[in-house]
Amino acid sequence: GDSVTQMEGPVTLSEEAFLTINCTYTATGYPSLFWYVQYPGEGLQLLLKATKADDKGSNKGFEATYRKETTSFHLEKGSVQVSDSAVYFCALTLSGGSYIPTFGRGTSLIVHP
Amino acid sequence: DTGVSQNPRHKITKRGQNVTFRCDPISEHNRLYWYRQTLGQGPEFLTYFQNEAQLEKSRLLSDRFSAERPKGSFSTLEIQRTEQGDSAMYLCASSLGSTVQETQYFGPGTRLLVL
Repeated sequence: GDSVTQMEGPVTLSEEAFLTINCTYTATGYPSLFWYVQYPGEGLQLLLKATKADDKGSNKGFEATYRKETTSFHLEKGSVQVSDSAVYFCALTLSGGSYIPTFGRGTSLIVHP
Repeated sequence: DTGVSQNPRHKITKRGQNVTFRCDPISEHNRLYWYRQTLGQGPEFLTYFQNEAQLEKSRLLSDRFSAERPKGSFSTLEIQRTEQGDSAMYLCASSLGSTVQETQYFGPGTRLLVL
């Protein structure tokens, strides 16, 4: 079945460090790909998305490129802040169905001052 | 605040009791989803509604679970005869339409603890 695999956390970084959170997927069709973020005590919110191969989603300094050849959608940020500490979820939806997203397990990011 | 709201935010109950959660979606959103999230896991789909019609239910949704969206607005999720394994965060999300690119808007969740 369709699935999303994320790197295990927690990822612990110092402020201003470079961030990469890996996400790979398995899908029978051509998915749309998403990154959601969950701050402590809050619900998930969309961070960015990409709907076709080679698209780059970006928001708040984060970016991710839809790589069909490697079935990946890695999240990157050049310089993290303490306020970026959260859990990040990679997700996919498939066309031709009910569009219910499949989520990865989430990767916790902890940024120290 | 026009986001998705959920009530209660926390619920502690004893095994065997019934519980009901409520979700109020963003007002113009047609679709409403329920998920369950356990520690260290991503949200797992339970069921969704298109307006008032319940269109799909996950295998995770046992007979003890029932969901309604009577007028296509708010929704309730009821768990009967709760078990300790039901302890989790229950998330509600809504979306405007039904496309593969659609963004879901999540509520803050209801955390259930079954003793």
